[in-house]
Amino acid sequence: AQSVTQLDSQVPVFEEAPVELRCNYSSSVSVYLFWYVQYPNQGLQLLLKYLSGSTLVESINGFEAEFNKSQTSFHLRKPSVHISDTAEYFCAVSRTSGTYKYIFGTGTRLKVLA
Amino acid sequence: EPEVTQTPSHQVTQMGQEVILRCVPISNHLYFYWYRQILGQKVEFLVSFYNNEISEKSEIFDDQFSVERPDGSNFTLKIRSTKLEDSAMYFCASSVPPDGYTFGSGTRLTVV
Repeated sequence: AQSVTQLDSQVPVFEEAPVELRCNYSSSVSVYLFWYVQYPNQGLQLLLKYLSGSTLVESINGFEAEFNKSQTSFHLRKPSVHISDTAEYFCAVSRTSGTYKYIFGTGTRLKVLA
Repeated sequence: EPEVTQTPSHQVTQMGQEVILRCVPISNHLYFYWYRQILGQKVEFLVSFYNNEISEKSEIFDDQFSVERPDGSNFTLKIRSTKLEDSAMYFCASSVPPDGYTFGSGTRLTVV
């Protein structure tokens, strides 16, 4: 079975400061890794994904995440946040075969302060 | 960009009543899912559907729940006799693995 841990339930950060949202996972088999963002009263939107290949993946809006197999981590980073990045961020894993169901972390609420 | 459409956006129902939550997945997607998110809690897997049958279901998905893909486009979640604890946001998703899911915007179910 897989599990995902997001240790930080809330992360306040000032605008234009860097941020890191932590995600650790546990699995005995290979996994795919995902970050989703949920803005207030909206659904979950795919931010970025790691399937294979380069361990550093980037999104179009400046976020990046690095897959670290030895540390079983997939931390999300952004060098300079904007007010509009205020949202809940969910890390998820799925197996690389079968039903591809997601196991989600508990989420991290990023609050960007002016 | 293709979307997953869910209706209604908000449903209020009396305890014991049946509800049907509707979803229109992306047309060329093969895998379909329902997840739920109780207020303030994590997003939980309910069921996956592939090749016109349930491929996996969670412990939450008991006999009160059922899913159907009646006409090749709609994908429905039925709760036969709602309980107060069924109050949650229900998300439908579809995918072509290994790409990530596309989620709908959700149905907020309130059981009173």
